[in-house]
Amino acid sequence: QQKVQQSPESLIVPEGGMASLNCTFSDRNSQYFWWYRQHSGEGPKALMSIFSNGDKKEGRFTAHLNKASLHVSLHIKDSQPSDSALYFCAVKVGNYQLIWGSGTKLIIKP
Amino acid sequence: DAGVTQTPRHEVAEKGQTIILKCEPVSGHNDLFWYRQTKIQGLELLSYFRSKSLMEDGGAFKDRFKAEMLNSSFSTLKIQPTEPKDSAVYLCASSTGGSGNTLYFGEGSRLIVV
Repeated sequence: QQKVQQSPESLIVPEGGMASLNCTFSDRNSQYFWWYRQHSGEGPKALMSIFSNGDKKEGRFTAHLNKASLHVSLHIKDSQPSDSALYFCAVKVGNYQLIWGSGTKLIIKP
Repeated sequence: DAGVTQTPRHEVAEKGQTIILKCEPVSGHNDLFWYRQTKIQGLELLSYFRSKSLMEDGGAFKDRFKAEMLNSSFSTLKIQPTEPKDSAVYLCASSTGGSGNTLYFGEGSRLIVV
């Protein structure tokens, strides 16, 4: 059964710094990966999807996927206080099921 | 376009009560999901509908949880009877369907059972 693990559990980054979040998964056949962000009191919101090995950049956010090493990461450049949130990695299994990581709490310190 | 709308945002129920949570998905979306979120268990899938048909009924949640989708623009989640361990945030999400489609979540309904 697919397992998704995120690290670190929490992360403090100074404003303007780089935040790096990690996610490992167990099923080599996985094809579809997302990063979601959840601010306090809100529902999760999709940040980025990545389906191919390599990097995908959207503004200050870069996702990296390495299926061979069962690893996907998210890097946030020039971190802003508004980036403080809970970040989830989600991996699709089967036709509809998403397996979610337990989340990384990111705090951006002004 | 309107996003996913959930009501109520907050609910306090006494143990044994019946509560009904409501969800309006994004217009045109074919897939609808109900999740429960707690700090300990994280995000757990309760139900999944595709084009109004129930495809996943949540296994362990079956006995007291019932999700329905009477039309393509409205779904309910009934918890009957409620127990204190049901205290959580209940999230509704929708998507267009398909392999690589993103889920759009509502703001959630926070339930406290006393």
